Amino acid sequence: DAGVIQSPRHEVTEMGQEVTLRCKPISGHDYLFWYRQTMMRGLELLIYFNNNVPIDDSGMPEDRFSAKMPNASFSTLKIQPSEPRDSAVYFCASSPGNIRTEAFFGQGTRLTVV
Amino acid sequence: DQQVKQNSPSLSVQEGRISILNCDYTNSMFDYFLWYKKYPAEGPTFLISISSIKDKNEDGRFTVFLNKSAKHLSLHIVPSQPGDSAVYFCAARYSGNTPLVFGKGTRLSVIA
Repeated sequence: DAGVIQSPRHEVTEMGQEVTLRCKPISGHDYLFWYRQTMMRGLELLIYFNNNVPIDDSGMPEDRFSAKMPNASFSTLKIQPSEPRDSAVYFCASSPGNIRTEAFFGQGTRLTVV
Repeated sequence: DQQVKQNSPSLSVQEGRISILNCDYTNSMFDYFLWYKKYPAEGPTFLISISSIKDKNEDGRFTVFLNKSAKHLSLHIVPSQPGDSAVYFCAARYSGNTPLVFGKGTRLSVIA
């Protein structure tokens, strides 16, 4: 398996523009997580899905952020409108439905909003 | 409110010596702990884990120790190698398949 695949790897956009980050989880994994990494807050959970259903989105910072998982092999994280403080590395991770298994991370998308 | 705390942002160790990375947690409901390693421009990768019913887990050069009464865990790397230079994240979860809660990470530099 190729692992968790994220695109794009890098995104530079102007403030106010819409940004869409994409993720393909590992096939057969029931859980999908979106994390954001910043210097100040480290790795923080934004939202997670189980069997394509959003379970907890309490980590989504504002209404400008939204996430969808239309099927088991694809998820998007959208920021509209984007702001400079959204600049961070965004990671997608997936895990099987078993207890005690670790989450597998993608390589991340580095977002820069200027 | 950080439930998982890594109070040392960075650590520098000489090659061949022991590296000790520390992690504290506040939530007594956590019962499974993991360490992840992250190289620049890559995603975190799983390194080693420990269940709360154990106090030690060893995998090659890596050993994780858990002190439940102190709500403290540590990762020991012996001997340290230059390739171990990375950011190490401590993570914890509740019972069941709940999301991992991460610390802010510690950057380890192993000097040759």
